[in-house]
Amino acid sequence: DTAVSQTPKYLVTQMGNDKSIKCEQNLGHDTMYWYKQDSKKFLKIMFSYNNKELIINETVPNRFSPKSPDKAHLNLHINSLELGDSAVYFCASSPTPTSGTYTQYFGPGTRLTVL
Amino acid sequence: QKEVEQNSGPLSVPEGAIASLNCTYSDRVSQSFFWYRQYSGKSPELIMSIYSNGDKEDGRFTAQLNKASQYVSLLIRDSQPSDSATYLCAVNYETSYDKVIFGPGTSLSVIP
Repeated sequence: DTAVSQTPKYLVTQMGNDKSIKCEQNLGHDTMYWYKQDSKKFLKIMFSYNNKELIINETVPNRFSPKSPDKAHLNLHINSLELGDSAVYFCASSPTPTSGTYTQYFGPGTRLTVL
Repeated sequence: QKEVEQNSGPLSVPEGAIASLNCTYSDRVSQSFFWYRQYSGKSPELIMSIYSNGDKEDGRFTAQLNKASQYVSLLIRDSQPSDSATYLCAVNYETSYDKVIFGPGTSLSVIP
């Protein structure tokens, strides 16, 4: 009964390539996120969607483009990959804020290595 | 710039001792505070949330919140080797729609 799932788990690719990471949640949550965790373990928010609407867009290069086909899915496409993009990318979801809680449930992460 | 700060550690405690993890935050309007645990190579998982001043206990874990001092802590009683992980403090800023800022994490090592 996976709550938040991501594919692939590992991604190794060459500089300049384009790649996508997929995320799905079966918790019925309205809000989904993408986080980047670098080698120093700092977890930084990149994007957040609420009911397919982009609500948080941090200072992220335009090469990163999120897409939410429905509220259960949030994908991340990365163009022209660079060495500095190597990190673990976590997808997360949370209930709508009106529920009074902001607990986030994380997926298992996708370890991206750019060579 | 809204920030969440933690001692990076590593914090080492002997098995059975109390581990004390601290976190400070920069924005007074923050209302929701969380402690996540992250084992090496795994994803963060929520262990405690706290919304009002005072203490909140859940098993061996106690979260303490002092909004006047902009300080939140996590105490782990009777520490076990299985508690060895990185603990992430997270703060929700309601001025930014549903945005949670994570601290850099404190690495805890419980020595048998």
